[in-house]
Amino acid sequence: AQSVTQLGSHVSVSEGALVLLRCNYSSSVPPYLFWYVQYPNQGLQLLLKYTTGATLVKGINGFEAEFKKSETSFHLTKPSAHMSDAAEYFCAVSLYNAGNMLTFGGGTRLMVKP
Amino acid sequence: NAGVMQNPRHLVRRRGQEARLRCSPMKGHSHVYWYRQLPEEGLKFMVYLQKENIIDESGMPKERFSAEFPKEGPSILRIQQVVRGDSAAYFCASSLGGDNTEAFFGQGTRLTVV
Repeated sequence: AQSVTQLGSHVSVSEGALVLLRCNYSSSVPPYLFWYVQYPNQGLQLLLKYTTGATLVKGINGFEAEFKKSETSFHLTKPSAHMSDAAEYFCAVSLYNAGNMLTFGGGTRLMVKP
Repeated sequence: NAGVMQNPRHLVRRRGQEARLRCSPMKGHSHVYWYRQLPEEGLKFMVYLQKENIIDESGMPKERFSAEFPKEGPSILRIQQVVRGDSAAYFCASSLGGDNTEAFFGQGTRLTVV
């Protein structure tokens, strides 16, 4: 069985500040990990994913995430927040690297202050 | 090249009525997944279908809910005798299939039961 925990349902940062969204997972087998972004009244867009290989994964819009097996974490970061980053972010885990049958965390709403 | 299309975008039903949600996958995609997002929660997997087959329905409520993906036409998620607790956003995703493809999400159908 798999599960995902996102620490902090709401995160607020100032424009230009570091963004750090936390994600911890549990999985009985090596997981595939994903971050999705959801803008208001929209569907989900894939930001990045970890399947195998390099543990630091770079995604779209300047985001990146690092897979740390020892900490069972996959935190999402961005060096400098932009107003357009305000959205809901979901961490997800799957047994398949295709993103099929995802188990999602509860989501973190990112607010960016001017 | 159209993405995953869901309709209607918004659906209002009175308690006891039936709700039918449609999902047209991306061109060439034969795998469809339905997820439900309750207010202030993450997405929960409901069902995974291929053409004319239900592959995994472990996330589907045991009663009132059914899904199909016929040989021709869109995938349908059907909710009979809706109750207030069914109010949620329902998202569909599609993929090419296999272990090495990405699932793309539609914009969702927001069901409100009054």
